[in-house]
Amino acid sequence: EAQVTQNPRYLITVTGKKLTVTCSQNMNHEYMSWYRQDPGLGLRQIYYSMNVEVTDKGDVPEGYKVSRKEKRNFPLILESPSPNQTSLYFCASSFREDYEQYFGPGTRLTVT
Amino acid sequence: AQKVTQAQTEISVVEKEDVTLDCVYETRDTTYYLFWYKQPPSGELVFLIRRNSFDEQNEISGRYSWNFQKSTSSFNFTITASQVVDSAVYFCALGQGFSFIFGKGTRLLVKP
Repeated sequence: EAQVTQNPRYLITVTGKKLTVTCSQNMNHEYMSWYRQDPGLGLRQIYYSMNVEVTDKGDVPEGYKVSRKEKRNFPLILESPSPNQTSLYFCASSFREDYEQYFGPGTRLTVT
Repeated sequence: AQKVTQAQTEISVVEKEDVTLDCVYETRDTTYYLFWYKQPPSGELVFLIRRNSFDEQNEISGRYSWNFQKSTSSFNFTITASQVVDSAVYFCALGQGFSFIFGKGTRLLVKP
């Protein structure tokens, strides 16, 4: 089954404790992206990747890192999480940047 | 600057009514892509439609139709004969190059 998976689905952590949210797709898609969804703000793009080893910042990249060492994986790293990073995070992939995106199920992160 | 405005925060209709969700975008680019996504109460994001900036042809898919007008920078979405299962948050998105801007979403509630 074609899908985008994210882990964990739920995470509660404390300020400053490094964490990684994994994202994997099995569709051989070139383009991958991370978004955060906050009430009343819609989805905002954090980072995206055009291909392996090629990434760039979206609208809200502060406090996040990404890497794309393999085509299928695009982890999101929070080196020192803060409470303002409490949010619902979505990973997405698409065949190309101008095609429709397939979204993962979301990761709900709470930073206390 | 790129921007997507969904002015309707929440719409409530009674089943079988027609409803139109508005989307207005701003961009200086001549090449861009427009999308609609649905987020039902279960939380996943579902792709509905994609349009590129050179294709102003309107589209109908069952009870769904989309009206793209470059002259007014709008890409509106109409649901005909709404059903309770249409209750969801609907997002309009603008894609340019590798970046995406989402609107803040319109919550549609269809009452039986």
